[in-house]
Amino acid sequence: GENVEQHPSTLSVQEGDSAVIKCTYSDSASNYFPWYKQELGKGPQLIIDIRSNVGEKKDQRIAVTLNKTAKHFSLHITETQPEDSAVYFCAASVTGTASKLTFGTGTRLQVTL
Amino acid sequence: SQTIHQWPATLVQPVGSPLSLECTVEGTSNPNLYWYRQAAGRGLQLLFYSVGIGQISSEVPQNLSASRPQDRQFILSSKKLLLSDSGFYLCAFRDRGLDGYTFGSGTRLTVV
Repeated sequence: GENVEQHPSTLSVQEGDSAVIKCTYSDSASNYFPWYKQELGKGPQLIIDIRSNVGEKKDQRIAVTLNKTAKHFSLHITETQPEDSAVYFCAASVTGTASKLTFGTGTRLQVTL
Repeated sequence: SQTIHQWPATLVQPVGSPLSLECTVEGTSNPNLYWYRQAAGRGLQLLFYSVGIGQISSEVPQNLSASRPQDRQFILSSKKLLLSDSGFYLCAFRDRGLDGYTFGSGTRLTVV
């Protein structure tokens, strides 16, 4: 089955700096790669996703890049703000009726003033 | 609009007691439904998923079971809880034809 590794496990940046979180996946058939943000005591929320036919996607301060050959994808957050502090999860799946997301272990991002 | 409801938010149960967590979805039909467990400081582990009423797939052998008695209702159960069942349980749904999951707010279960 799919295996997703995520690094780093914790990340501390100063407000205004950029943050980068990296993930690798094992199943070359995976074609859907979402990123989730989880605030304390809440369920994860989808913040951005990318499909295998695209190399990069951007939404305001958030961008995701995908390298299918190397089987890795990354989340980039620019101009970080204190409200970006949360746990971020990457995930991967093969789309279809019975698709199942496999998640990375999470990155705790702390944005300091 | 689509919403997902999960309850209770917190639960403290003694070892050996039964468990029933319920999840309901509104604003969609025939969704895929999922139960995930999140241990402290760890990622999300898929426990069960369902592509239709009465259709349950189990991802890991464990002390838990799941049922889908109605199209938009997903129940996680146990006959006798173990200490190792403690964790944060998340229900999620996926619309047919879409790829993204929507998660509920979770249930924090503590088995004592």
